[in-house]
Amino acid sequence: LAKTTQPISMDSYEGQEVNITCSHNNIATNDYITWYQQFPSQGPRFIIQGYKTKVTNEVASLFIPADRKSSTLSLPRVSLSDTAVYYCLVGTYKYIFGTGTRLKVLA
Amino acid sequence: DAGVTQSPTHLIKTRGQQVTLRCSPKSGHDTVSWYQQALGQGPQFIFQYYEEEERQRGNFPDRFSGHQFPNYSSELNVNALLLGDSALYLCASSFGFVAGSADTQYFGPGTRLTVL
Repeated sequence: LAKTTQPISMDSYEGQEVNITCSHNNIATNDYITWYQQFPSQGPRFIIQGYKTKVTNEVASLFIPADRKSSTLSLPRVSLSDTAVYYCLVGTYKYIFGTGTRLKVLA
Repeated sequence: DAGVTQSPTHLIKTRGQQVTLRCSPKSGHDTVSWYQQALGQGPQFIFQYYEEEERQRGNFPDRFSGHQFPNYSSELNVNALLLGDSALYLCASSFGFVAGSADTQYFGPGTRLTVL
């Protein structure tokens, strides 16, 4: 199973775009890349998932380069309510969670 | 469309006791995974059930066992509770794995277990 590496924490201001990059050098051919958001004492919330190139939905974009050894979650115009832990996951069947990235959005 | 539900929300037990946690998957899903999340850490995979059988298992002792029912709901059982079992237990559901497709898991709100 691919191991992921993310920054431990990030700070941003309201209205800014936030990009969180995840490294997954050992990603397998069949692996998808999935990002979750988690608030304290709640279950992780699915944000976005992709296999290659770029994926966009109503809340985020996911950029995946051709070699798929990394991915970047982009959150446009963050607000205070986006303060949470963000997890990057690679694989199927069972997810190996790392420590995630603690994003703090400041007013 | 109801998402993943878990019960109970909170639970307090003492060391040595046994506990059963329950999970109902999202409508249309047939696969259930269980995770343990200690305070300040990421969730750790316990096991996954598909077609009423354990398909994958993480690095957890046999004290942790599970079951999946014909309606796809699932139970997590933990025997001989230890203080270290205190955690948020998360259930996630997905649609049975199809080669070449993503196994997108949707999580429930969790059950907070406290062992005294």
